[in-house]
Amino acid sequence: GAGVSQTPSNKVTEKGKYVELRCDPISGHTALYWYRQSLGQGPEFLIYFQGTGAADDSGLPNDRFFAVRPEGSVSTLKIQRTERGDSAVYLCASSSQGQDTEAFFGQGTRLTVV
Amino acid sequence: AQTVTQSQPEMSVQEAETVTLSCTYDTSESDYYLFWYKQPPSRQMILVIRQEAYKQQNATENRFSVNFQKAAKSFSLKISDSQLGDAAMYFCALLASPLGYQLIWGAGTKLIIKP
Repeated sequence: GAGVSQTPSNKVTEKGKYVELRCDPISGHTALYWYRQSLGQGPEFLIYFQGTGAADDSGLPNDRFFAVRPEGSVSTLKIQRTERGDSAVYLCASSSQGQDTEAFFGQGTRLTVV
Repeated sequence: AQTVTQSQPEMSVQEAETVTLSCTYDTSESDYYLFWYKQPPSRQMILVIRQEAYKQQNATENRFSVNFQKAAKSFSLKISDSQLGDAAMYFCALLASPLGYQLIWGAGTKLIIKP
């Protein structure tokens, strides 16, 4: 596609439910990143994929969070047993190679846990 | 640890005037990149300008320029001839080895343009 696409744009879920957030990167980009942006703050790194593998998942806050990229393109961020503290904007970005190449961002998914 | 600090939560400027947004950073790496991103209400981060640490010359992109002071670890953004469309959150970010793929972000500065 022309840019990074994230769906849904907004998601409201009840505490304790499971959610999936999707990211469709720019075609041909091998590197994919997830960031979380809480209200009034800058983004925080969650996970980095190079191809199909998670090269660094050190930013995932706990084992309720998991992300996959099975075919090296679309990625899904999965959150189990959601908590109110998970409410944030989840940003996805992709770049052509990874190291120091420009990252292009999607419009994010605003997750609200009620 | 690598950090980025933006000390101005909010700035305002009259349309057509010039404004400077401040950013300081800390890293022990010698090889790094600095960025300014713009985030409008649409939430999409848009790259404004990028500076490679090894370059002494300050980066410029049309009305946007930076003042990169490497010894002071300062990286400010100057916007000339401010336009209404410049209103947004502005984030300073650092990309440094060995985590050369992980952007470290400041807390952002909200820029208000007065017509």
